[in-house]
This record gives sequence, C-alpha cells and structure tokens, in this order.
Amino acid sequence: DGGITQSPKYLFRKEGQNVTLSCEQNLNHDAMYWYRQDPGQGLRLIYYSQIVNDFQKGDIAEGYSVSREKKESFPLTVTSAQKNPTAFYLCASRKQGSSNQPQHFGDGTRLSIL
Amino acid sequence: RKEVEQDPGPFNVPEGATVAFNCTYSNSASQSFFWYRQDCRKEPKLLMSVYSSGNEDGRFTAQLNRASQYISLLIRDSKLSDSATYLCVVNKGWGGNLIFGKGTKLSVKP
Repeated sequence: DGGITQSPKYLFRKEGQNVTLSCEQNLNHDAMYWYRQDPGQGLRLIYYSQIVNDFQKGDIAEGYSVSREKKESFPLTVTSAQKNPTAFYLCASRKQGSSNQPQHFGDGTRLSIL
Repeated sequence: RKEVEQDPGPFNVPEGATVAFNCTYSNSASQSFFWYRQDCRKEPKLLMSVYSSGNEDGRFTAQLNRASQYISLLIRDSKLSDSATYLCVVNKGWGGNLIFGKGTKLSVKP
C-alpha cells in the first residue's frame, strides 16, 4: 500500500541531544513537509522540500534541520538549539504539478524531553 | 487578518443534528481549498476538497464563496463518529504551500 511512514512513534530527548525523526513515502510525491503541532494548537510549518537536494525554511525552522537526498525520504533533526521540542511532529507529502492537490500525512512522532 | 481563521468551538450537538462550520481566508489569490478531519492524537486526514461550484460527499457538503473569501462545511445527520476537529485548509496563492486553520472541534452526543 502506498503511504507515508514516520518513525519512531514516540521519542524521548535528553538535554543537549540531537534526535532525528524519519519520514519515508512511496507515493512518488515530489514535495514533502514537516509540521509541528502543540496541544490544542494548529499545524506550524518547519521545513519543506519541493525537489530532491533542495529545501526551504518554514515559519519555525530555528533549532531544526533537514536533508532531502532521496525523493522518498525527508528526515528531520531536532537539534539541542530547539529549547522547547516537546510536540507532535507530522510529515506530509504532496503531488506537484497541479495546484489542487491535497497533502497526505504520516501518523506522526511524539517527542518529549526526558 | 489571519491567513485562515476558524471558530475553535467546541460545537456540541446531538446525534442527527445538522451542523455548519465556516472558515475565512485572507489571500484572494488562493486556488486550493480543503477540509481535513483530525481525531484526538492522530494525524489530519483529508475529508474533501472544495470546488468552486460546491460539492457533496454523502452527508458532507462544502461550499466556496470567493467574493467573501470563505468556505463552509455542512454535516447532515451527525453521527457519534463525526466527533473530531475539522481543519480548514487553503493554499498560499497559485502553487503555494497549504495553510492549515487551527480547527473547529465537534462533539456529537447521544
């Protein structure tokens, strides 16, 4: 089945540690996105990529980094510079080429501080 | 004006009721409109796209008013399983990224 796989489902970070969240899709979508959602809040865009080897900052990129070495994969690193990392992280992908394409989401990673 | 604005609710309705949500958007160049549903502690899932002429999918009807820059979602004959948060989603102009509203919470009671 085609879809987006995020791992791990739950992740704990120690102070001063970098952690990497995985996102893989087999939908052959060009565009991929990372969002953060805090309790009772909307989705905020962290980074996005519309093509391999290229990515752009979203609204809240500070303390995060990404790479897009393969079309299928868009990992997100939460660095130690991100002082409030506890949140629900969602990866999404979207087919390009038409403006009326929705995004499809993975089932998310919950990150907490130890 | 916020890019996408929704009444956060909650809307508490009895089973079988009809409920309507509105959403306003600020970018007149927006071309893509969607409603997503998000269950508690889950990822958002596409409920339906919204087309210029309005569209229906079973008990759900979506409408777009470009002149007033708002979209609406009507749910008829509400079911307990409709309880969720409904997100209004609009793109940031032609080919632009999608912007998600903060959502309207619906609770359907027996």
